[in-house]
Amino acid sequence: GESVGLHLPTLSVQEGDNSIINCAYSNSASDYFIWYKQESGKGPQFIIDIRSNMDKRQGQRVTVLLNKTVKHLSLQIAATQPGDSAVYFCAENPPSGYALNFGKGTSLLVTP
Amino acid sequence: KAGVTQTPRYLIKTRGQQVTLSCSPISGHRSVSWYQQTPGQGLQFLFEYFSETQRNKGNFPGRFSGRQFSNSRSEMNVSTLELGDSALYLCASSLDGRTATGELFFGEGSRLTVL
Repeated sequence: GESVGLHLPTLSVQEGDNSIINCAYSNSASDYFIWYKQESGKGPQFIIDIRSNMDKRQGQRVTVLLNKTVKHLSLQIAATQPGDSAVYFCAENPPSGYALNFGKGTSLLVTP
Repeated sequence: KAGVTQTPRYLIKTRGQQVTLSCSPISGHRSVSWYQQTPGQGLQFLFEYFSETQRNKGNFPGRFSGRQFSNSRSEMNVSTLELGDSALYLCASSLDGRTATGELFFGEGSRLTVL
């Protein structure tokens, strides 16, 4: 598959449980952060974003938490469903403002 | 409205050849960015175009080039292909390219295999 040769961190959860995916970013000057979901054979899809002047933002079934002190992001998915199975990437917007820096990704597997 | 369209979806080339990939952005979007996705390096920024001008470039050799046309469609070219160029090449469009003001919309990618 697409991840041959890459041992992505993998999170396996049961359907209905909550999922937490973590990400460390590198640039303390980054002011905007995005979580993307990539399903097999598709391009990354926007899930939720957060600006650096916030520490929490909620969407539909998803919440993003930002801890600037330790440069850490997390994505919480409530009541995880089989359709949530995918690779999740965090991305940071550095000061240049025209290119995102992506994390390596976490593979989420939802089991029935 | 139609999403970002990339062609071809799959292609196989041999070392030393060159390849051209095409991207049609969402209607009304003037910025097109290109990313390379590999198992080892993840998603890496190649370049970004706005109004036919390259505004930003990632850390890739000169074999990687691109251009944007007046209708915002973009092409990227890789010359003298190497085995390590095997990757999924993703195109993303946005209204103005500033990643802090709006989300990027990605296409499904062009998967290049170099033999």
